Amino acid sequence: DVKVTQSSRYLVKRTGEKVFLECVQDMDHENMFWYRQDPGLGLRLIYFSYDVKMKEKGDIPEGYSVSREKKERFSLILESASTNQTSMYLCASSSPPSGASTDTQYFGPGTRLTVL
Amino acid sequence: RKEVEQDPGPFNVPEGATVAFNCTYSNSASQSFFWYRQDCRKEPKLLMSVYSSGNEDGRFTAQLNRASQYISLLIRDSKLSDSATYLCVVTPGTYKYIFGTGTRLKVLA
Repeated sequence: DVKVTQSSRYLVKRTGEKVFLECVQDMDHENMFWYRQDPGLGLRLIYFSYDVKMKEKGDIPEGYSVSREKKERFSLILESASTNQTSMYLCASSSPPSGASTDTQYFGPGTRLTVL
Repeated sequence: RKEVEQDPGPFNVPEGATVAFNCTYSNSASQSFFWYRQDCRKEPKLLMSVYSSGNEDGRFTAQLNRASQYISLLIRDSKLSDSATYLCVVTPGTYKYIFGTGTRLKVLA
């Protein structure tokens, strides 16, 4: 079974704090993703990485950065947390595309972040 | 127009009923399609991939209609445990996964 773990299930931070969200996968997947999920908006891609030290911006990268120093670990960083970053953060991993097919994503349990 | 659209529901159905959801997508170049299930305050979990020829997994059947650009999910003999939000996912390009906002299903006793 694929396992994707996230460092915290619930997190409360104050405006302006630097926040680190950690994600680890144990399936040797090349690709890792960070999403946020908000009611009515669905999942929105923040950043993804297709290899160690590689990162690509998703649809909503502003206010976030990422780090991938090891294949199994992908970190999301909120440089200066703001109240509009209160959300559910989901990490996912997948194998690389095979031909024209894009492989299934597997999700971690999510981190519900509240910024006060 | 949204890239992926789903009826948000909720679909309230009695136990044992058959229910179907559709999901339309706008990018005709999309290659891979999935249905995920998400329980309240939990992560999405893969329910099934959707193949061109259609596929079935127990009480669940998924279909792809490329001409009309939609995928469907049929659930037969609904169980209380099927109550969840069902997300469709379309991949219009490499590393690109577009999620619908989900269709909420409530199966009633």
